Amino acid sequence: DAGVIQSPRHEVTEMGQEVTLRCKPISGHNSLFWYRQTMMRGLELLIYFNNNVPIDDSGMPEDRFSAKMPNASFSTLKIQPSEPRDSAVYFCASTIGGGLTDTQYFGPGTRLTVL
Amino acid sequence: GQQVMQIPQYQHVQEGEDFTTYCNSSTTLSNIQWYKQRPGGHPVFLIQLVKSGEVKKQKRLTFQFGEAKKNSSLHITATQTTDVGTYFCAGPGANFGNEKLTFGTGTRLTIIP
Repeated sequence: DAGVIQSPRHEVTEMGQEVTLRCKPISGHNSLFWYRQTMMRGLELLIYFNNNVPIDDSGMPEDRFSAKMPNASFSTLKIQPSEPRDSAVYFCASTIGGGLTDTQYFGPGTRLTVL
Repeated sequence: GQQVMQIPQYQHVQEGEDFTTYCNSSTTLSNIQWYKQRPGGHPVFLIQLVKSGEVKKQKRLTFQFGEAKKNSSLHITATQTTDVGTYFCAGPGANFGNEKLTFGTGTRLTIIP
């Protein structure tokens, strides 16, 4: 079975541009998580969905960030407009259950560079 | 909010030496999970501990969950080059309103052959 799939793997954009990151969770998994990883702040939980519904978005840094999960097999994280400080690796993870106690399966990540 | 700290931040060991990383939470955890991230890779789940005082072993790796469920440790015996990476603990808080999964700051392990 395929793991969590993320695209693109690398994204380089200029400040002010819109960026969309995509994630396909493992089939059958009910929860999806978006993380951001930087050297300074480590691994931060941005938002998570359970059964396609956003449960906790308190980690979303500001209104420039938005996330959607239109169906069980697809989610997007959008940054508009992007800023250099958004440069990071963004991970998507999914779990089979609906709680925060379940094993998280991470995707390969998207390395975002904002110039 | 909940904070999870790990020490040390970095550890360099000779191959064959032992390694330990410690995880400390500011609040009681409902469980503790450990992940390993290889350089350039993504976090991969290693193990989960749920019970107070629980100890689990995976070959050369020994994981402990503290009695108060606020701290944990990972010990690797006789490190090998394949152990290189960053080790993260993570845990959801045990109290209502504090259930958000929080990752520790990580310990980066490098091995000197």
